[in-house]
Amino acid sequence: DAGVIQSPRHEVTEMGQEVTLRCKPISGHNSLFWYRQTMMRGLELLIYFNNNVPIDDSGMPEDRFSAKMPNASFSTLKIQPSEPRDSAVYFCASSLEWANGYTFGSGTRLTVV
Amino acid sequence: DAKTTQPNSMESNEEEPVHLPCNHSTISGTDYIHWYRQLPSQGPEYVIHGLTSNVNNRMASLAIAEDRKSSTLILHRATLRDAAVYYCILRDLRGTSYGKLTFGQGTILTVHP
Repeated sequence: DAGVIQSPRHEVTEMGQEVTLRCKPISGHNSLFWYRQTMMRGLELLIYFNNNVPIDDSGMPEDRFSAKMPNASFSTLKIQPSEPRDSAVYFCASSLEWANGYTFGSGTRLTVV
Repeated sequence: DAKTTQPNSMESNEEEPVHLPCNHSTISGTDYIHWYRQLPSQGPEYVIHGLTSNVNNRMASLAIAEDRKSSTLILHRATLRDAAVYYCILRDLRGTSYGKLTFGQGTILTVHP
């Protein structure tokens, strides 16, 4: 099992550009979560999918952020347009509903200049 | 969400036991106590969880107070690889929380050789 796979590992982009982060959850897991981590705010839950359906997106900062899960094996988090304050590490995690714990990916470090 | 309180930091020596405390005085009867840790430059990693009884696994032990208002994560023999941020989280699997994990600031554990 390769675990949760995120790509890219690092992304540097200019302000105003569109950024797409990708996540492949563990096969068989039906819950997927996107988190953002900064020094100031720690780990914040952005959005949660269950069986490919967005359940809770109350953590999405603003309309510039959008997330999709077109099938059980793939999810994207898109920022358009990106701003310097979006610089952070973005983590994807998956789990079996009601199961023991989440498995996190290695994260994508986003830098917006 | 019910909140947890952890010390900001703790220190230990290699090969000695470590007891990481967590207070959760407002815990509800359906809240599970979860522990995660985050090693430097990695995503969070599930450690252990419990409801009422003490729990053991290959990574650690979880001791839960009889009134459930506090718990302690026990690392039996700390290694340098255990240096990480440890998060104590209450997870409610009922209702609208959907079992989502809300991370606090955690405890930074430093292990000295």
